[in-house]
Amino acid sequence: GQNIDQPTEMTATEGAIVQINCTYQTSGFNGLFWYQQHAGEAPTFLSYNVLDGLEEKGRFSSFLSRSKGYSYLLLKELQMKDSASYLCAVGETGANNLFFGTGTRLTVIP
Amino acid sequence: SAVISQKPSRDICQRGTSLTIQCQVDSQVTMMFWYRQQPGQSLTLIATANQGSEATYESGFVIDKFPISRPNLTFSTLTVSNMSPEDSSIYLCSAKGGAYNEQFFGPGTRLTVL
Repeated sequence: GQNIDQPTEMTATEGAIVQINCTYQTSGFNGLFWYQQHAGEAPTFLSYNVLDGLEEKGRFSSFLSRSKGYSYLLLKELQMKDSASYLCAVGETGANNLFFGTGTRLTVIP
Repeated sequence: SAVISQKPSRDICQRGTSLTIQCQVDSQVTMMFWYRQQPGQSLTLIATANQGSEATYESGFVIDKFPISRPNLTFSTLTVSNMSPEDSSIYLCSAKGGAYNEQFFGPGTRLTVL
């Protein structure tokens, strides 16, 4: 099993920084993925981590600690358009599909 | 990255009928998947569409209810058979590829069963 856990909802203020955490358990870790999904739209790929550490991509960064089974997505300089669900997904050795968490619904308020 | 199209984008169907959803990828991909997602809920994997062989279904999903075809490396169909209102959902096609072997998603098909 994958046991992917992330908070259900978060609220943050425009211009601020928010960190969305994800913990997972897997028998054969093969990458950690973050996706963004706006209401009524398909998920879109944001980031990928396979080694420990921080990957930065513009306003978004993603961190991974394999020993702790932990990742976070960091969103800086929040904008209203960042209001969306953020899905944590884990790749597992021997599995074709990614295993998705239930998603964190982020609301950005003025 | 692969671009995925689906049709229809939405449909309203009567109970007891069947609907076939088509998924087209703009490049050859090894893995294709079908998901279901209720509004505001998480993704649920229905099956992996295997090229040239029968699809691999997840627990709770059966071929008689959700027959899947995958005639080549760029195209797949999902049929929702003998529909009931409980089948009302968004159905998403996905393919694996890209620099990190990530999954891409089609825009989804919003199905309403009356």
